[in-house]
Amino acid sequence: DIQMTQSPSTLSAAVGDRVTITCRASQTVSSWLAWYQQKPGKAPKLLIFDASSLQSEVPSSFSGRGYGTEFNLTISSVQPDDVATYHCQQYKSYPWTFGQGTKVEVK
Amino acid sequence: QVQLVESGGGVVQPGRSLRLSCAASRFAFSTYDMHWVRQAPGRGLEWVAVLSNDGTKNYYADSVKGRFTISRDNSKNTLFLQMNTLGDEDTGVYYCARNSVVSTGGFDYWGQGTLVTVSS
Repeated sequence: DIQMTQSPSTLSAAVGDRVTITCRASQTVSSWLAWYQQKPGKAPKLLIFDASSLQSEVPSSFSGRGYGTEFNLTISSVQPDDVATYHCQQYKSYPWTFGQGTKVEVK
Repeated sequence: QVQLVESGGGVVQPGRSLRLSCAASRFAFSTYDMHWVRQAPGRGLEWVAVLSNDGTKNYYADSVKGRFTISRDNSKNTLFLQMNTLGDEDTGVYYCARNSVVSTGGFDYWGQGTLVTVSS
């Protein structure tokens, strides 16, 4: 199985800061990677697919980069509404696997 | 707007069974692969199972293989998850999710989830 590891587990940022979350795969997933945002008590929401493609109606403040085993999700200017847990997920091969999540707090 | 509504969750004793349903609407259900994803309390997301659009191909997480069965009724736009021999580790919120339409993978729509609690 492909293991996905996110860092950091938690991050705290000021409004307007640029934040970056990293996701590493235990073996190459090419560009078959997605990012999700999950707010407390809610279902996840797809932000990025194919490592860098922005899902429809997702703000352009979100962006994704990477290929192979290392990927980043960046929020260019974090806002209070961005408080959430962010998950990466590979779909290179079954079983599809998720990272453990990164909780983003806004000061 | 695409809608996925799960039902069937509840409290069940260890070793017993439960069947979850996911009613889909406002999209061509029979043309999409569908998944179940779960989340234990305070934990991350875990992919559980997938079923192809025509119901002929499926895959399961090792943690549920042999105990869970995914199925669908395309005439009723409904996805199912039959869960047998439930254990404490199966406690969590179960989401049905649609395979992305713009990529080979990822989940572009999710239900609100149904809570399964395995407890004696």
